[in-house]
Amino acid sequence: GDSVTQMEGPVTLSEEAFLTINCTYTATGYPSLFWYVQYPGEGLQLLLKATKADDKGSNKGFEATYRKETTSFHLEKGSVQVSDSAVYFCALALIQGAQKLVFGQGTRLTINP
Amino acid sequence: EAQVTQNPRYLITVTGKKLTVTCSQNMNHEYMSWYRQDPGLGLRQIYYSMNVEVTDKGDVPEGYKVSRKEKRNFPLILESPSPNQTSLYFCASSPNYNTYGELFFGEGSRLTVL
Repeated sequence: GDSVTQMEGPVTLSEEAFLTINCTYTATGYPSLFWYVQYPGEGLQLLLKATKADDKGSNKGFEATYRKETTSFHLEKGSVQVSDSAVYFCALALIQGAQKLVFGQGTRLTINP
Repeated sequence: EAQVTQNPRYLITVTGKKLTVTCSQNMNHEYMSWYRQDPGLGLRQIYYSMNVEVTDKGDVPEGYKVSRKEKRNFPLILESPSPNQTSLYFCASSPNYNTYGELFFGEGSRLTVL
C-alpha cells in the first residue's frame, strides 16, 4: 500500500546549522507530496508542497524537491532557528483514489541556541 | 479570521459514555476530514466528507460516526468509547476534494478514555 517513511527522530541541532529531514514514499500512482509542521500545542500547518516530479516546494527558508527516481522528498533548510523547533510530517496525496493524506510518523526537531 | 474550531480541546471520559467532538470551519470549505494522531504512527484518517451529506470511511473508522448536515460542521461521534480510542484528534478542511492534500487543521482535541 501507499506509505511514507521519515527519518527517525528526535533531531537536535544548534542554531544556524543545516537541516535535512529525510522522507521517502511508496505509492501506486503519481502522488502530490507535502511537508506539514506542528508547533507545540497546535494543529498541523502546511509548510510546502510539490505536485509533480522535479518540482521544488519552498516556504520560510525550507525547501524540498520531488525526486521521482529516488521516491524522495527530503526537507532542507540552510540555517535553522530556535523558532523552527517543531514536529515535521511528510505526507502524500494520490491524484486518484482514496481522498486522504498518508502521513509519515513525524520527526521532532529541537534547535538549541 | 479563517479557522477550524474543535471542542472540547481536552476531555477525560469513561468507557461506554457517548461523546461528541464538534468541528466547525468558517472558510466555506467543501472537504472536511477527521484524523487521529498516535505516537509513532503519525496521523491516520478516520472519516472524510466531500460535501454536505457525503461522507466516507478512512483508514480507522471503527468505533466512530460522523455526520455532515451543514457545510461548516463535521462532528465526530464516539457512541461507546473504549480505552483504545484515547488519542489526539484533529479536524481539518480544504476548499474542495481536489485540494484535499492542502488541509487547514484545528488545534486538536485530546481525549482520554478510562
